Amino acid sequence: QEKVQQSPESLIVPEGAMSSLNCTFSNSASQSIWWYQQHPGKGPEALISIFSNGNKKEGRLTVYLNRASLHVSLHIRDSQPSDSAVYLCAVNYNQGKLIFGQGTKLSIKP
Amino acid sequence: GPKVLQIPSHQIIDMGQMVTLNCDPVSNHLYFYWYKQILGQQMEFLVNFYNGKVMEKSKLFKDQFSVERPDGSYFTLKIQPTALEDSAVYFCASSPGSHQNTLYFGAGTRLSVL
Repeated sequence: QEKVQQSPESLIVPEGAMSSLNCTFSNSASQSIWWYQQHPGKGPEALISIFSNGNKKEGRLTVYLNRASLHVSLHIRDSQPSDSAVYLCAVNYNQGKLIFGQGTKLSIKP
Repeated sequence: GPKVLQIPSHQIIDMGQMVTLNCDPVSNHLYFYWYKQILGQQMEFLVNFYNGKVMEKSKLFKDQFSVERPDGSYFTLKIQPTALEDSAVYFCASSPGSHQNTLYFGAGTRLSVL
């Protein structure tokens, strides 16, 4: 049974600072790893994905993947109050089936 | 961006009744999914659907559940009969392909079984 664990459960970050979120997964045979953002009452929205070991940068977002340690992290530079949301790590195994973590609630304090 | 619409946003029904949750996926997408999220818990995969067939279903996809997309219209999840433990938010998603393609989610239908 594939498992995805996220840490921390919640995080409070001052505006302008870096937000760092972590995710571990149980099976290195996964395909891509995704980060989704979810606001209250809305569905998850894809932010960024990574497939190969190493890092990938898009705007203020950087994601790092280490398949050997089954670990992926998301870093949000210059965090803004609008970044406050729940962030979901999701692992794509096959046929688009995503296994989600339980989420990290991020709050950015002005 | 592309929008997935779910109708209704909230449905309240009595245990044992049938319910149909409707999803209008992104128009050119070929793969469709249902996920279930119980309050305070993580989102869990139920089923994926392609070319008129179920590709894979999880243990949560009980015999009382069925999915279809007749004539390219809504992608539906039917539960018959419903049970108390079916109370959850059900999210529909669609994607253009299955491998490394973005899944686009709807806002969810909150199902309350009384």
